[in-house]
Amino acid sequence: EAGVAQSPRYKIIEKRQSVAFWCNPISGHATLYWYQQILGQGPKLLIQFQNNGVVDDSQLPKDRFSAERLKGVDSTLKIQPAKLEDSAVYLCASSLETGDSYEQYFGPGTRLTVT
Amino acid sequence: GNSVTQMEGPVTLSEEAFLTINCTYTATGYPSLFWYVQYPGEGLQLLLKATKADDKGSNKGFEATYRKETTSFHLEKGSVQVSDSAVYFCALSRGSQGNLIFGKGTKLSVKP
Repeated sequence: EAGVAQSPRYKIIEKRQSVAFWCNPISGHATLYWYQQILGQGPKLLIQFQNNGVVDDSQLPKDRFSAERLKGVDSTLKIQPAKLEDSAVYLCASSLETGDSYEQYFGPGTRLTVT
Repeated sequence: GNSVTQMEGPVTLSEEAFLTINCTYTATGYPSLFWYVQYPGEGLQLLLKATKADDKGSNKGFEATYRKETTSFHLEKGSVQVSDSAVYFCALSRGSQGNLIFGKGTKLSVKP
């Protein structure tokens, strides 16, 4: 079974530029999560989708971050414009359904450096 | 609000030593508790979980018991191996949405 795929794996941009990350969840998984992991900290949820609807985006900085999951499969996370404090690893995870009885499977992450 | 506190790392042990990584949580109600592990160069993966008080989660020789009275979920292993070197994250999930709140992680290095 293929795991969660993410691209790119690494990205370096200058502040005020824009960037987009892509995630392909495990086939058949209805729930998709985006987490931000700043160096030395644990992952923090940015947004959660159930199929193509948003379940929770309370911690997404909506003035600069956006995410979509148009067909309920792949998802993109965008930052525009980027700030230095956005330097982090962006993790995508998926689970069969929503709820803590369903294991979340994580992708390898995209490491973003903003200079 | 909900939060997780883990012991600071890094932790360095010799092979076959006993491991404890402390984890305490703050939450209203009854969260589910998890330990995730991140091996070098790999993504996060679930190590074990417990969903109610006094439950013990176990996997690959690791164990953790959900202690409601002390709001703790300490990770233990009787004899660590070099291959256990990784970063360990304690996490909680509360509510029907299932999203996770993580601790800061504890890096474990096991030397032969």
